[in-house]
Amino acid sequence: SQQGEEDPQALSIQEGENATMNCSYKTSINNLQWYRQNSGRGLVHLILIRSNEREKHSGRLRVTLDTSKKSSSLLITASRAADTASYFCAPSTGANSKLTFGKGITLSVRP
Amino acid sequence: GAVVSQHPSWVICKSGTSVKIECRSLDFQATTMFWYRQFPKQSLMLMATSNEGSKATYEQGVEKDKFLINHASLTLSTLTVTSAHPEDSSFYICSATPGTGYAGELFFGEGSRLTVL
Repeated sequence: SQQGEEDPQALSIQEGENATMNCSYKTSINNLQWYRQNSGRGLVHLILIRSNEREKHSGRLRVTLDTSKKSSSLLITASRAADTASYFCAPSTGANSKLTFGKGITLSVRP
Repeated sequence: GAVVSQHPSWVICKSGTSVKIECRSLDFQATTMFWYRQFPKQSLMLMATSNEGSKATYEQGVEKDKFLINHASLTLSTLTVTSAHPEDSSFYICSATPGTGYAGELFFGEGSRLTVL
């Protein structure tokens, strides 16, 4: 398995602003997933984008995938204080494959 | 759907004792579960892959005799930290995937915080 590398390591924005987080990976994937972790809690699956998809939306989340650049981005629009958390990307080779995680992005949304 | 429950949420034990952590998939069957540990302000480290009915597959550097994993049913995996020492204090998180109909999304328990005195 491979882990993604998230960028930036930390991001601080004002409530209402958009937050853009980036992820790069090294080898071919079946899909790429984004997860959120609130402090002291388990991870929550946010969104999955398949290798043949370029963009996907879910509520205030928009994820893009560029397989030629081996990169993905997660956009959270109209951020809220409750979005404050760590965010991780996870490249996946498909069902039942193990996922490894990088250092993640610490997002702070100021009220 | 796809709920994973982990128990206990936190546990404090004395050095030298063993601690068992349970991970249950509540509304789906999981042939595969994964165990992670996380140190403060660090990422998750994959410890092992738990396979129902067979031996767990451990990641390099993880002591299999120290961290015993049992996956006796399609809805339950357990992690036993044997002869725990203070350096085993950590946040342990399990995850599972429903498999069929999913593309590999993991559903995580809420984690178990172990403190070894």
